[in-house]
Amino acid sequence: QIHLEQSGAEVKKPGGSVKVSCKASGYTFVSHGITWVRQAPGQGLEWMGWINTYNGNTYYGPILQGRVTMTADTSTNTAYMELKSLKFDDTAVYYCARGGRWPGGYWGQGTLVTVSS
Amino acid sequence: DIQMTQSPSTLSASIGDRVTIICRASESISDWLAWYRQNPGEAPKLLISKASNLESGVPSRFSGSGSGTEFTLTIAGLQPEDFATYYCQQYDSFVGSFGQGTKVEIK
Repeated sequence: QIHLEQSGAEVKKPGGSVKVSCKASGYTFVSHGITWVRQAPGQGLEWMGWINTYNGNTYYGPILQGRVTMTADTSTNTAYMELKSLKFDDTAVYYCARGGRWPGGYWGQGTLVTVSS
Repeated sequence: DIQMTQSPSTLSASIGDRVTIICRASESISDWLAWYRQNPGEAPKLLISKASNLESGVPSRFSGSGSGTEFTLTIAGLQPEDFATYYCQQYDSFVGSFGQGTKVEIK
């Protein structure tokens, strides 16, 4: 069955960086893009961007442009999202989803990233 | 960037009620619209894609309609698990965006 397993919770200091992983199984990794979405505590969903796992092309939302990098390792079927220059309001649950250009039908369990001094 | 606006922000209803949520896009997105339901503490669940296509396994009480800039999600006969937050998402371009969400509460 299709499954996306994300890395564990992280606590980071302002100005630092975090890298969240998303390991896919149960389907052909390069046939579907991976989308990243985040949700601050008590807030709505924010679309962050996606990576075409076949050719590595990335598409980022305007708010995080310049601070976020999405990559994919086709040898391990794992996608990564790195966020730099962390701010307090980057505290959120970060989700990966299989979808890319298309809606996400399968989601990871979410990774809580807390930015705290 | 395409902005998505949902209304209402909160909706109070009872089990068995029929409810409708509206989603408007800041420019035409044809029918490239999806609807999700998110229960507390869980990841979102895809309900509908391409404005009106029900995903496999999603109950038929959910339906979607619309095109261009105005879309609706209707739930015909609310069930306990439907008291949740609903989001629309456009995927017309390579850069997507979500509405701010509509919380369906128990009256």
